[in-house]
Amino acid sequence: DTGVSQNPRHKITKRGQNVTFRCDPISEHNRLYWYRQTLGQGPEFLTYFQNEAQLEKSRLLSDRFSAERPKGSFSTLEIQRTEQGDSAMYLCASSPRDSWDDETQYFGPGTRLLVL
Amino acid sequence: AQRVTQPEKLLSVFKGAPVELKCNYSYSGSPELFWYVQYSRQRLQLLLRHISRESIKGFTADLNKGETSFHLKKPFAQEEDSAMYYCAIGGSNDYKLSFGAGTTVTVRA
Repeated sequence: DTGVSQNPRHKITKRGQNVTFRCDPISEHNRLYWYRQTLGQGPEFLTYFQNEAQLEKSRLLSDRFSAERPKGSFSTLEIQRTEQGDSAMYLCASSPRDSWDDETQYFGPGTRLLVL
Repeated sequence: AQRVTQPEKLLSVFKGAPVELKCNYSYSGSPELFWYVQYSRQRLQLLLRHISRESIKGFTADLNKGETSFHLKKPFAQEEDSAMYYCAIGGSNDYKLSFGAGTTVTVRA
């Protein structure tokens, strides 16, 4: 297991198109998180899952965004009708437990999205 | 709402000099504080967290609830410490993290 993986690593799309990103967490990690990072800022929380249940969504996640984690394994983040403001790095993280005793979040390399 | 402020965007120090990265937070409750680091061309990774009270790679951070600060310190900076450092806060009832804007540290020979 080489850690959290994300695909694709880069995506260029035209405004108005739909895009989908995939995240494969470390196996047996039951929590999975999505963050967005824009230039000069730290990561901003978007949503997270415990197993297959989506427990929280940020107000940043407009109705054009949808995330799923079927079967509690990999997750997908879809953006519909992309806008130039969606251009960012999308980060996925996973963690093994549901307490702070071992709540290290392991991050993937990110998917960089550019909307033209 | 939880908020993290890192007042320094850039920090440049000479090798062997002390380095301190400032982090202030606001949170109504019992926060969990973290420092994450991102080295060039690598992914974001945990450096240390206050709950474990460890010293990692010579770095320490003390949680000061009175001043709502969690500054990161290292007495003797090394060139390999050059990286982007993010302070992050988590809540006691949820596990999402709120990050500061980050501080870029450059250690010069």
